[in-house]
Amino acid sequence: GESVGLHLPTLSVQEGDNSIINCAYSNSASDYFIWYKQESGKGPQFIIDIRSNMDKRQGQRVTVLLNKTVKHLSLQIAATQPGDSAVYFCAEKVWGGSEKLVFGKGTKLTVNP
Amino acid sequence: GAGVSQSPSNKVTEKGKDVELRCDPISGHTALYWYRQRLGQGLEFLIYFQGNSAPDKSGLPSDRFSAERTGESVSTLTIQRTQQEDSAVYLCASSLGGLGADTQYFGPGTRLTVL
Repeated sequence: GESVGLHLPTLSVQEGDNSIINCAYSNSASDYFIWYKQESGKGPQFIIDIRSNMDKRQGQRVTVLLNKTVKHLSLQIAATQPGDSAVYFCAEKVWGGSEKLVFGKGTKLTVNP
Repeated sequence: GAGVSQSPSNKVTEKGKDVELRCDPISGHTALYWYRQRLGQGLEFLIYFQGNSAPDKSGLPSDRFSAERTGESVSTLTIQRTQQEDSAVYLCASSLGGLGADTQYFGPGTRLTVL
Protein backbone atom coordinates (compact mmCIF):
# COMPACT_ATOMS: atom_id res chain seq x y z
CA GLY A 1 0.00 0.00 0.00
CA GLU A 2 0.94 3.64 0.02
CA SER A 3 3.21 4.91 2.71
CA VAL A 4 5.46 7.87 3.20
CA GLY A 5 7.98 7.83 6.00
CA LEU A 6 10.87 9.79 7.34
CA HIS A 7 14.34 8.57 8.29
CA LEU A 8 14.83 10.99 11.18
CA PRO A 9 12.07 12.19 13.46
CA THR A 10 14.17 15.06 14.90
CA LEU A 11 16.99 17.18 13.57
CA SER A 12 18.97 19.78 15.47
CA VAL A 13 21.28 22.17 13.63
CA GLN A 14 23.25 25.32 14.32
CA GLU A 15 22.11 28.60 12.85
CA GLY A 16 23.78 29.15 9.52
CA ASP A 17 24.33 25.47 8.81
CA ASN A 18 22.61 23.64 6.00
CA SER A 19 19.81 21.23 6.91
CA ILE A 20 18.78 18.08 5.10
CA ILE A 21 15.48 16.39 5.84
CA ASN A 22 14.83 13.02 4.27
CA CYS A 23 11.72 11.15 3.26
CA ALA A 24 11.12 7.69 1.83
CA TYR A 25 8.07 6.70 -0.15
CA SER A 26 6.90 3.29 -1.22
CA ASN A 27 4.38 3.94 -4.01
CA SER A 28 6.29 3.92 -7.28
CA ALA A 29 3.18 5.34 -9.00
CA SER A 30 3.43 8.58 -7.03
CA ASP A 31 4.24 11.41 -9.38
CA TYR A 32 3.87 14.54 -7.30
CA PHE A 33 5.57 15.40 -4.04
CA ILE A 34 5.27 18.34 -1.70
CA TRP A 35 7.13 19.58 1.33
CA TYR A 36 5.19 21.43 3.99
CA LYS A 37 6.38 23.36 7.02
CA GLN A 38 4.21 23.43 10.11
CA GLU A 39 4.91 25.80 12.96
CA SER A 40 3.37 25.21 16.35
CA GLY A 41 -0.35 25.97 16.39
CA LYS A 42 -0.55 26.66 12.67
CA GLY A 43 -1.62 24.82 9.58
CA PRO A 44 0.96 23.36 7.18
CA GLN A 45 2.55 25.90 4.89
CA PHE A 46 3.57 24.97 1.36
CA ILE A 47 7.33 25.14 0.81
CA ILE A 48 8.14 23.51 -2.49
CA ASP A 49 6.91 20.77 -4.77
CA ILE A 50 8.33 18.54 -7.45
CA ARG A 51 6.94 16.26 -10.14
CA SER A 52 8.32 12.90 -11.00
CA ASN A 53 9.69 14.09 -14.34
CA MET A 54 12.25 16.17 -12.44
CA ASP A 55 15.00 15.19 -10.01
CA LYS A 56 15.77 18.59 -8.56
CA ARG A 57 13.95 21.81 -7.97
CA GLN A 58 15.18 24.95 -6.24
CA GLY A 59 13.37 27.67 -4.40
CA GLN A 60 14.53 30.43 -2.15
CA ARG A 61 17.06 28.79 0.21
CA VAL A 62 15.37 25.42 -0.32
CA THR A 63 16.07 22.60 -2.72
CA VAL A 64 14.09 19.41 -3.17
CA LEU A 65 15.79 16.34 -4.58
CA LEU A 66 13.91 13.33 -5.91
CA ASN A 67 15.55 9.97 -6.45
CA LYS A 68 12.98 7.71 -8.08
CA THR A 69 15.34 4.77 -8.24
CA VAL A 70 15.39 4.41 -4.47
CA LYS A 71 12.11 6.26 -3.87
CA HIS A 72 13.70 8.94 -1.76
CA LEU A 73 12.91 12.61 -1.36
CA SER A 74 14.93 15.21 0.48
CA LEU A 75 14.55 18.84 1.45
CA GLN A 76 17.69 20.93 1.77
CA ILE A 77 17.56 24.24 3.59
CA ALA A 78 20.54 26.52 3.10
CA ALA A 79 21.84 28.78 5.86
CA THR A 80 19.23 27.59 8.34
CA GLN A 81 17.69 30.31 10.47
CA PRO A 82 15.83 30.18 13.80
CA GLY A 83 12.62 30.91 11.90
CA ASP A 84 13.06 27.60 10.09
CA SER A 85 12.38 25.72 13.32
CA ALA A 86 9.21 23.71 12.69
CA VAL A 87 7.95 20.28 11.76
CA TYR A 88 8.49 19.40 8.12
CA PHE A 89 6.21 16.97 6.30
CA CYS A 90 6.64 15.35 2.95
CA ALA A 91 3.54 14.29 1.06
CA GLU A 92 2.90 12.35 -2.13
CA LYS A 93 0.12 12.05 -4.64
CA VAL A 94 -0.59 9.65 -7.45
CA TRP A 95 -1.56 11.28 -10.75
CA GLY A 96 -4.94 10.22 -11.93
CA GLY A 97 -5.76 8.59 -8.63
CA SER A 98 -7.39 10.05 -5.61
CA GLU A 99 -6.50 13.67 -5.13
CA LYS A 100 -5.65 13.11 -1.49
CA LEU A 101 -2.14 13.65 -0.28
CA VAL A 102 -0.44 10.93 1.73
CA PHE A 103 1.66 12.50 4.46
CA GLY A 104 4.67 11.25 6.35
CA LYS A 105 4.86 11.59 10.12
CA GLY A 106 7.11 14.65 10.03
CA THR A 107 10.58 15.70 11.14
CA LYS A 108 11.01 18.30 13.84
CA LEU A 109 13.77 20.74 12.95
CA THR A 110 15.32 22.75 15.77
CA VAL A 111 17.73 25.54 14.91
CA ASN A 112 20.09 26.49 17.71
CA PRO A 113 21.36 30.09 17.80
CA GLY B 1 -5.63 37.69 -1.03
CA ALA B 2 -7.33 35.83 1.80
CA GLY B 3 -6.20 32.32 2.58
CA VAL B 4 -8.21 29.36 3.83
CA SER B 5 -10.08 30.20 7.00
CA GLN B 6 -11.56 27.87 9.57
CA SER B 7 -13.87 28.32 12.50
CA PRO B 8 -13.93 27.95 15.36
CA SER B 9 -10.21 27.95 16.10
CA ASN B 10 -10.84 25.95 19.25
CA LYS B 11 -13.77 23.80 20.31
CA VAL B 12 -14.22 22.02 23.61
CA THR B 13 -17.15 19.67 23.84
CA GLU B 14 -18.46 16.89 26.00
CA LYS B 15 -18.45 13.28 24.94
CA GLY B 16 -21.62 12.43 23.06
CA LYS B 17 -22.29 15.91 21.73
CA ASP B 18 -22.31 16.81 18.04
CA VAL B 19 -19.90 19.39 16.64
CA GLU B 20 -19.77 21.28 13.38
CA LEU B 21 -16.55 22.69 11.95
CA ARG B 22 -16.45 25.22 9.16
CA CYS B 23 -14.02 25.86 6.32
CA ASP B 24 -13.92 28.78 3.90
CA PRO B 25 -11.61 27.93 0.98
CA ILE B 26 -9.63 30.34 -1.14
CA SER B 27 -11.93 32.02 -3.64
CA GLY B 28 -11.83 30.27 -6.99
CA HIS B 29 -10.50 27.00 -5.61
CA THR B 30 -12.67 24.16 -6.79
CA ALA B 31 -11.08 21.44 -4.67
CA LEU B 32 -11.46 21.21 -0.89
CA TYR B 33 -9.99 18.70 1.53
CA TRP B 34 -10.39 17.82 5.19
CA TYR B 35 -7.60 16.23 7.22
CA ARG B 36 -7.24 15.21 10.84
CA GLN B 37 -4.01 15.64 12.78
CA ARG B 38 -3.60 13.98 16.14
CA LEU B 39 -1.04 15.37 18.54
CA GLY B 40 2.48 14.82 17.27
CA GLN B 41 1.29 12.94 14.22
CA GLY B 42 1.06 13.51 10.50
CA LEU B 43 -2.06 14.45 8.59
CA GLU B 44 -4.77 11.87 8.01
CA PHE B 45 -6.99 12.37 4.96
CA LEU B 46 -10.72 12.46 5.65
CA ILE B 47 -12.66 13.68 2.62
CA TYR B 48 -12.18 15.51 -0.69
CA PHE B 49 -14.59 17.62 -2.75
CA GLN B 50 -13.99 18.60 -6.38
CA GLY B 51 -16.55 20.79 -8.08
CA ASN B 52 -19.85 18.99 -8.56
CA SER B 53 -18.34 15.52 -8.53
CA ALA B 54 -19.23 13.00 -5.84
CA PRO B 55 -16.90 13.54 -2.87
CA ASP B 56 -14.15 11.07 -2.02
CA LYS B 57 -15.18 9.95 1.46
CA SER B 58 -12.68 7.11 1.71
CA GLY B 59 -10.88 8.61 4.69
CA LEU B 60 -13.85 9.15 7.00
CA PRO B 61 -13.16 6.95 10.05
CA SER B 62 -16.78 6.14 10.92
CA ASP B 63 -20.36 6.99 10.05
CA ARG B 64 -20.30 9.58 12.83
CA PHE B 65 -18.27 11.77 10.48
CA SER B 66 -19.86 13.59 7.56
CA ALA B 67 -19.11 16.65 5.47
CA GLU B 68 -20.94 18.89 3.09
CA ARG B 69 -19.93 21.56 0.67
CA THR B 70 -22.12 24.21 -0.86
CA GLY B 71 -21.13 24.61 -4.50
CA GLU B 72 -17.49 25.65 -4.59
CA SER B 73 -17.52 27.55 -1.34
CA VAL B 74 -17.99 26.80 2.33
CA SER B 75 -17.69 23.30 3.73
CA THR B 76 -18.77 21.94 7.08
CA LEU B 77 -17.42 18.83 8.79
CA THR B 78 -19.85 17.33 11.29
CA ILE B 79 -18.93 14.84 13.97
CA GLN B 80 -21.87 13.24 15.73
CA ARG B 81 -21.77 11.71 19.20
CA THR B 82 -18.19 12.79 19.71
CA GLN B 83 -15.75 10.45 21.42
CA GLN B 84 -12.52 11.26 23.23
CA GLU B 85 -10.50 9.75 20.38
CA ASP B 86 -11.95 12.42 18.09
CA SER B 87 -9.78 14.99 19.88
CA ALA B 88 -7.41 16.37 17.26
CA VAL B 89 -6.76 19.33 15.02
CA TYR B 90 -9.00 19.30 11.96
CA LEU B 91 -7.38 20.95 8.97
CA CYS B 92 -9.01 22.13 5.80
CA ALA B 93 -7.15 22.76 2.55
CA SER B 94 -8.13 23.97 -0.90
CA SER B 95 -6.56 23.88 -4.32
CA LEU B 96 -7.36 25.16 -7.79
CA GLY B 97 -8.14 21.63 -8.82
CA GLY B 98 -7.55 20.03 -12.16
CA LEU B 99 -4.39 18.67 -13.70
CA GLY B 100 -1.26 20.53 -12.72
CA ALA B 101 -3.03 22.54 -10.05
CA ASP B 102 -2.42 20.24 -7.16
CA THR B 103 -0.90 22.50 -4.54
CA GLN B 104 -3.04 22.42 -1.45
CA TYR B 105 -3.17 25.46 0.80
CA PHE B 106 -4.11 24.86 4.41
CA GLY B 107 -6.12 26.78 6.93
CA PRO B 108 -5.02 27.22 10.55
CA GLY B 109 -7.15 24.31 11.74
CA THR B 110 -9.76 23.78 14.43
CA ARG B 111 -8.50 22.22 17.63
CA LEU B 112 -11.21 19.90 18.95
CA THR B 113 -11.08 18.65 22.51
CA VAL B 114 -13.62 16.08 23.63
CA LEU B 115 -13.88 15.78 27.40
